[in-house]
Amino acid sequence: EVQLVESGGGLVQPGGSLRLSCAASGFIFSNYWMNWVRLAPGKGLEWVANIKEDGSEKYYVDSVKGRFTISRDNAKKSLYLQMNSLRAEDTAVYYCARGKYHPTPWGQGTLVAVSS
Amino acid sequence: QSALTQPASVSGSPGQSITISCTGTSSDIGDYSYVSWYQQHPGKAPKLMIYEVNNRPSGVSNRFSGSKSGNTASLTISGLQAEDEADYYCSSYTSSTTLVFGGGTKLTVL
Repeated sequence: EVQLVESGGGLVQPGGSLRLSCAASGFIFSNYWMNWVRLAPGKGLEWVANIKEDGSEKYYVDSVKGRFTISRDNAKKSLYLQMNSLRAEDTAVYYCARGKYHPTPWGQGTLVAVSS
Repeated sequence: QSALTQPASVSGSPGQSITISCTGTSSDIGDYSYVSWYQQHPGKAPKLMIYEVNNRPSGVSNRFSGSKSGNTASLTISGLQAEDEADYYCSSYTSSTTLVFGGGTKLTVL
């Protein structure tokens, strides 16, 4: 069974940092682009970043460029999102999702709350 | 990187059909056939319902169908059922090698 499990969320103060992880199983992780997508309270889904199979290409939504870094470890079948200089507007459930054009499946998400 | 435009809400009675529109630009929907639709129930992960404009993943009911014309894509749900009540999001691949989502549409089954 294909499965994605996120972890690493929590409460952090504005300006702080957090590293999210996504553990993959049930498929050949190194064969797929991977994504981070977030859902803020009362808002819609927002694509955050993606990364190519071998990690050689990475793309970000404008609002996180320079603050967030997506990475992967194919040997560990894991995807990461390093989030620095966090802002209140980064508060959201963060999902990892498999695939370049129509991500599926998605993990259950991990909640990031940025507040003082 | 502007979000695709969807109606905030739609509603219909059981058995009826509804259509949700999704408008983008020539840099996303208009230029690619990589339009997808997701269903999300509260507290759950999004579920892929339609990919590449009009394809259904295995296990998705044939009551769900998709189409595209120019910069606008549409999702139609026929024979509405109570369990269809959820948020629906469109998505498109873009010319910047990114993805963009719509703002979401809340479907209410009356």
